[in-house]
Amino acid sequence: DAGITQSPRHKVTETGTPVTLRCHQTENHRYMYWYRQDPGHGLRLIHYSYGVKDTDKGEVSDGYSVSRSKTEDFLLTLESATSSQTSVYFCAIRREAEQYFGPGTRLTVT
Amino acid sequence: KNQVEQSPQSLIILEGKNCTLQCNYTVSPFSNLRWYKQDTGRGPVSLTIMTFSENTKSNGRYTATLDADTKQSSLHITASQLSDSASYICVVYSGGSYIPTFGRGTSLIVHP
Repeated sequence: DAGITQSPRHKVTETGTPVTLRCHQTENHRYMYWYRQDPGHGLRLIHYSYGVKDTDKGEVSDGYSVSRSKTEDFLLTLESATSSQTSVYFCAIRREAEQYFGPGTRLTVT
Repeated sequence: KNQVEQSPQSLIILEGKNCTLQCNYTVSPFSNLRWYKQDTGRGPVSLTIMTFSENTKSNGRYTATLDADTKQSSLHITASQLSDSASYICVVYSGGSYIPTFGRGTSLIVHP
Protein backbone atom coordinates (compact mmCIF):
# COMPACT_ATOMS: atom_id res chain seq x y z
CA ASP A 1 0.00 0.00 0.00
CA ALA A 2 1.61 3.25 -1.15
CA GLY A 3 -0.97 5.50 0.50
CA ILE A 4 -2.72 6.50 -2.72
CA THR A 5 -6.38 7.41 -2.79
CA GLN A 6 -8.50 8.49 -5.72
CA SER A 7 -11.78 10.37 -5.68
CA PRO A 8 -14.42 9.91 -6.73
CA ARG A 9 -14.26 6.14 -7.26
CA HIS A 10 -17.21 6.19 -9.63
CA LYS A 11 -18.74 9.02 -11.63
CA VAL A 12 -21.38 9.34 -14.32
CA THR A 13 -21.50 12.63 -16.16
CA GLU A 14 -23.01 14.09 -19.29
CA THR A 15 -21.23 15.02 -22.49
CA GLY A 16 -19.90 18.56 -22.40
CA THR A 17 -19.63 18.91 -18.62
CA PRO A 18 -16.31 19.52 -16.84
CA VAL A 19 -14.98 16.76 -14.61
CA THR A 20 -12.10 16.75 -12.14
CA LEU A 21 -10.55 13.61 -10.71
CA ARG A 22 -8.33 13.77 -7.66
CA CYS A 23 -5.31 11.69 -6.69
CA HIS A 24 -3.94 12.03 -3.18
CA GLN A 25 -0.76 10.50 -1.77
CA THR A 26 0.50 10.50 1.79
CA GLU A 27 4.23 9.78 1.26
CA ASN A 28 5.46 12.96 -0.51
CA HIS A 29 6.71 11.22 -3.66
CA ARG A 30 7.96 13.53 -6.38
CA TYR A 31 6.58 11.68 -9.43
CA MET A 32 2.86 11.17 -10.02
CA TYR A 33 1.07 9.85 -13.11
CA TRP A 34 -2.40 9.65 -14.62
CA TYR A 35 -3.31 6.70 -16.83
CA ARG A 36 -6.45 5.55 -18.55
CA GLN A 37 -7.21 1.88 -19.09
CA ASP A 38 -9.47 0.63 -21.85
CA PRO A 39 -10.15 -2.88 -23.16
CA GLY A 40 -7.68 -3.76 -25.87
CA HIS A 41 -5.38 -0.84 -25.09
CA GLY A 42 -3.98 -1.51 -21.69
CA LEU A 43 -2.69 1.37 -19.59
CA ARG A 44 -1.94 4.58 -21.47
CA LEU A 45 -0.23 7.61 -19.98
CA ILE A 46 -2.24 10.86 -20.01
CA HIS A 47 -0.04 13.27 -18.03
CA TYR A 48 2.61 13.05 -15.38
CA SER A 49 4.18 15.36 -12.83
CA TYR A 50 7.75 15.56 -11.56
CA GLY A 51 7.13 18.14 -8.86
CA VAL A 52 4.84 20.91 -7.71
CA LYS A 53 3.67 22.83 -10.78
CA ASP A 54 5.90 20.66 -13.01
CA THR A 55 3.89 18.54 -15.43
CA ASP A 56 4.25 17.03 -18.89
CA LYS A 57 2.09 15.31 -21.48
CA GLY A 58 1.78 11.60 -22.11
CA GLU A 59 0.69 9.76 -25.22
CA VAL A 60 -3.06 10.47 -24.87
CA SER A 61 -3.17 13.99 -23.40
CA ASP A 62 -5.66 15.60 -25.81
CA GLY A 63 -8.79 16.72 -23.98
CA TYR A 64 -7.15 16.52 -20.56
CA SER A 65 -5.35 18.99 -18.31
CA VAL A 66 -3.63 18.50 -14.96
CA SER A 67 -2.55 20.56 -12.00
CA ARG A 68 -0.31 19.98 -9.03
CA SER A 69 -0.29 22.81 -6.52
CA LYS A 70 0.74 20.58 -3.59
CA THR A 71 3.05 17.57 -3.48
CA GLU A 72 0.30 15.31 -2.23
CA ASP A 73 -2.41 16.14 -4.80
CA PHE A 74 -2.50 15.61 -8.55
CA LEU A 75 -5.70 16.66 -10.31
CA LEU A 76 -6.91 15.51 -13.72
CA THR A 77 -9.49 17.70 -15.47
CA LEU A 78 -11.66 16.95 -18.46
CA GLU A 79 -12.68 20.43 -19.57
CA SER A 80 -15.61 19.19 -21.65
CA ALA A 81 -16.19 15.47 -21.27
CA THR A 82 -16.83 13.34 -24.35
CA SER A 83 -18.07 9.77 -24.65
CA SER A 84 -14.60 8.68 -25.80
CA GLN A 85 -13.32 9.60 -22.35
CA THR A 86 -15.42 6.90 -20.73
CA SER A 87 -12.73 4.81 -19.10
CA VAL A 88 -11.10 3.69 -15.89
CA TYR A 89 -8.53 6.19 -14.68
CA PHE A 90 -5.57 5.20 -12.53
CA CYS A 91 -3.21 7.41 -10.64
CA ALA A 92 0.29 6.17 -9.82
CA ILE A 93 3.32 7.32 -7.85
CA ARG A 94 6.96 6.42 -8.33
CA ARG A 95 8.70 4.96 -5.31
CA GLU A 96 12.15 3.39 -5.44
CA ALA A 97 12.10 3.18 -9.25
CA GLU A 98 8.74 1.41 -9.34
CA GLN A 99 5.22 2.64 -9.97
CA TYR A 100 2.47 2.01 -7.44
CA PHE A 101 -1.13 2.42 -8.48
CA GLY A 102 -4.22 3.79 -6.82
CA PRO A 103 -7.56 1.96 -6.78
CA GLY A 104 -8.90 3.68 -9.92
CA THR A 105 -11.86 5.87 -10.87
CA ARG A 106 -14.51 4.54 -13.21
CA LEU A 107 -15.84 7.43 -15.31
CA THR A 108 -18.85 7.10 -17.58
CA VAL A 109 -19.74 9.93 -19.98
CA THR A 110 -23.29 9.66 -21.32
CA LYS B 1 9.59 3.30 -30.45
CA ASN B 2 9.56 1.26 -27.25
CA GLN B 3 7.05 -1.58 -27.36
CA VAL B 4 5.93 -4.49 -25.19
CA GLU B 5 3.91 -7.32 -26.71
CA GLN B 6 2.16 -9.96 -24.63
CA SER B 7 0.68 -13.30 -25.55
CA PRO B 8 -1.80 -14.82 -25.36
CA GLN B 9 -4.40 -12.06 -25.00
CA SER B 10 -6.54 -14.37 -22.89
CA LEU B 11 -6.24 -17.80 -21.38
CA ILE B 12 -8.65 -20.17 -19.66
CA ILE B 13 -7.32 -23.04 -17.56
CA LEU B 14 -8.62 -25.46 -14.96
CA GLU B 15 -7.76 -25.07 -11.32
CA GLY B 16 -4.55 -26.91 -10.44
CA LYS B 17 -3.07 -26.68 -13.92
CA ASN B 18 0.08 -24.74 -14.85
CA CYS B 19 0.33 -21.98 -17.43
CA THR B 20 2.92 -19.70 -19.01
CA LEU B 21 2.46 -16.13 -20.15
CA GLN B 22 4.82 -14.50 -22.65
CA CYS B 23 6.24 -11.01 -23.02
CA ASN B 24 8.44 -9.68 -25.84
CA TYR B 25 9.88 -6.21 -25.65
CA THR B 26 11.82 -3.70 -27.70
CA VAL B 27 12.84 -1.16 -25.06
CA SER B 28 16.18 0.54 -25.04
CA PRO B 29 18.12 1.06 -22.90
CA PHE B 30 16.74 -1.73 -20.72
CA SER B 31 16.68 -1.23 -16.97
CA ASN B 32 14.31 -3.83 -15.56
CA LEU B 33 11.14 -5.76 -16.29
CA ARG B 34 8.23 -6.28 -13.94
CA TRP B 35 5.17 -8.44 -14.01
CA TYR B 36 2.06 -6.89 -12.47
CA LYS B 37 -1.14 -8.63 -11.43
CA GLN B 38 -4.37 -6.70 -11.74
CA ASP B 39 -7.48 -8.09 -10.09
CA THR B 40 -10.84 -6.99 -11.47
CA GLY B 41 -11.73 -3.51 -10.24
CA ARG B 42 -8.33 -2.82 -8.67
CA GLY B 43 -5.03 -1.22 -9.61
CA PRO B 44 -2.05 -3.30 -10.80
CA VAL B 45 0.28 -4.71 -8.17
CA SER B 46 3.89 -5.77 -8.81
CA LEU B 47 4.64 -9.52 -8.63
CA THR B 48 8.30 -9.70 -9.63
CA ILE B 49 11.17 -7.58 -10.89
CA MET B 50 13.80 -8.84 -13.31
CA THR B 51 17.04 -6.95 -13.90
CA PHE B 52 19.47 -7.46 -16.77
CA SER B 53 21.61 -9.97 -14.90
CA GLU B 54 18.77 -12.14 -13.64
CA ASN B 55 17.45 -15.17 -15.53
CA THR B 56 14.89 -16.56 -13.13
CA LYS B 57 13.07 -15.32 -10.08
CA SER B 58 10.31 -16.94 -8.06
CA ASN B 59 7.58 -15.49 -5.88
CA GLY B 60 5.62 -18.39 -4.43
CA ARG B 61 3.82 -20.16 -7.28
CA TYR B 62 4.92 -17.46 -9.74
CA THR B 63 8.22 -17.85 -11.61
CA ALA B 64 9.47 -15.20 -14.01
CA THR B 65 12.25 -15.70 -16.53
CA LEU B 66 14.19 -13.20 -18.58
CA ASP B 67 16.28 -13.68 -21.70
CA ALA B 68 17.91 -10.30 -22.29
CA ASP B 69 19.50 -11.47 -25.54
CA THR B 70 16.21 -12.31 -27.22
CA LYS B 71 14.31 -9.67 -25.21
CA GLN B 72 11.76 -12.12 -23.96
CA SER B 73 10.25 -12.80 -20.56
CA SER B 74 7.78 -15.35 -19.31
CA LEU B 75 5.64 -15.74 -16.22
CA HIS B 76 4.93 -19.31 -15.18
CA ILE B 77 2.12 -20.03 -12.75
CA THR B 78 2.23 -23.39 -11.00
CA ALA B 79 -0.78 -25.24 -9.58
CA SER B 80 -3.19 -22.46 -10.44
CA GLN B 81 -5.85 -21.31 -7.99
CA LEU B 82 -9.13 -19.52 -8.52
CA SER B 83 -7.55 -16.39 -7.03
CA ASP B 84 -5.05 -16.33 -9.90
CA SER B 85 -7.86 -15.15 -12.18
CA ALA B 86 -6.69 -11.66 -13.15
CA SER B 87 -4.94 -9.65 -15.81
CA TYR B 88 -1.15 -9.98 -15.92
CA ILE B 89 0.73 -7.01 -17.28
CA CYS B 90 4.35 -6.96 -18.42
CA VAL B 91 6.03 -3.60 -17.81
CA VAL B 92 9.51 -2.63 -18.97
CA TYR B 93 11.44 0.20 -17.35
CA SER B 94 14.01 2.03 -19.44
CA GLY B 95 17.22 3.40 -18.05
CA GLY B 96 17.08 7.16 -17.63
CA SER B 97 13.31 7.38 -18.12
CA TYR B 98 10.63 7.81 -15.50
CA ILE B 99 7.96 6.48 -17.86
CA PRO B 100 7.72 2.69 -18.25
CA THR B 101 6.30 0.86 -21.27
CA PHE B 102 3.26 -1.30 -20.62
CA GLY B 103 2.05 -4.39 -22.41
CA ARG B 104 -1.67 -4.78 -22.99
CA GLY B 105 -1.90 -7.66 -20.57
CA THR B 106 -3.00 -11.29 -20.60
CA SER B 107 -6.40 -12.05 -19.09
CA LEU B 108 -6.26 -15.32 -17.15
CA ILE B 109 -9.39 -17.15 -16.04
CA VAL B 110 -9.06 -20.15 -13.76
CA HIS B 111 -12.11 -22.43 -13.69
CA PRO B 112 -12.89 -24.85 -10.86
